[in-house]
Amino acid sequence: DQQVKQNSPSLSVQEGRISILNCDYTNSMFDYFLWYKKYPAEGPTFLISISSIKDKNEDGRFTVFLNKSAKHLSLHIVPSQPGDSAVYFCAAMVYSGGGADGLTFGKGTHLIIQP
Amino acid sequence: DVKVTQSSRYLVKRTGEKVFLECVQDMDHENMFWYRQDPGLGLRLIYFSYDVKMKEKGDIPEGYSVSREKKERFSLILESASTNQTSMYLCASLQLNSYEQYFGPGTRLTVT
Repeated sequence: DQQVKQNSPSLSVQEGRISILNCDYTNSMFDYFLWYKKYPAEGPTFLISISSIKDKNEDGRFTVFLNKSAKHLSLHIVPSQPGDSAVYFCAAMVYSGGGADGLTFGKGTHLIIQP
Repeated sequence: DVKVTQSSRYLVKRTGEKVFLECVQDMDHENMFWYRQDPGLGLRLIYFSYDVKMKEKGDIPEGYSVSREKKERFSLILESASTNQTSMYLCASLQLNSYEQYFGPGTRLTVT
């Protein structure tokens, strides 16, 4: 059973507009969420994260919103730029005192920014 | 600057061969991970390690083993490669105070 779901395999947005990428999770034990960006033939790079004690975290053009009751998070990119075209992975984790036991990833959303 | 390196970017092996994928990080991180990425399946955790000589199975450990003899190095081993292990393999290490995982560039393995 998939614990982290990204239901949109791809998303096309015009340059300058807002991109909204969505992610749902089922495991209520998850207490930390991250977004990664991946270009072809490269490893994923960390973008932004949010702890379950917050409902919003902002970093420049990127904002992540967390709705714990709905088990839903979203990544907003505004304004969208051509360099934002990439695959975006939502990830979640349960932090246990002895060390993190890995991230659970969604399947990714391919964001395409159109000029 | 944070750095995770993987020994090969591209690798082609034959069915039945033993394959070693090496990963080295220079950040003194205790936690390291191996994932594989396949189209339509995202990243899936194979094995992870939270200390030298310590290892834990991830979601898809079958057909793989790992070795962590030194803190900076985490190796993934395919004992007898099969065609369904053709994939992109990604190594990562974890910075505990921020929970960020830093990924290597990946190794694209093809098993023929």
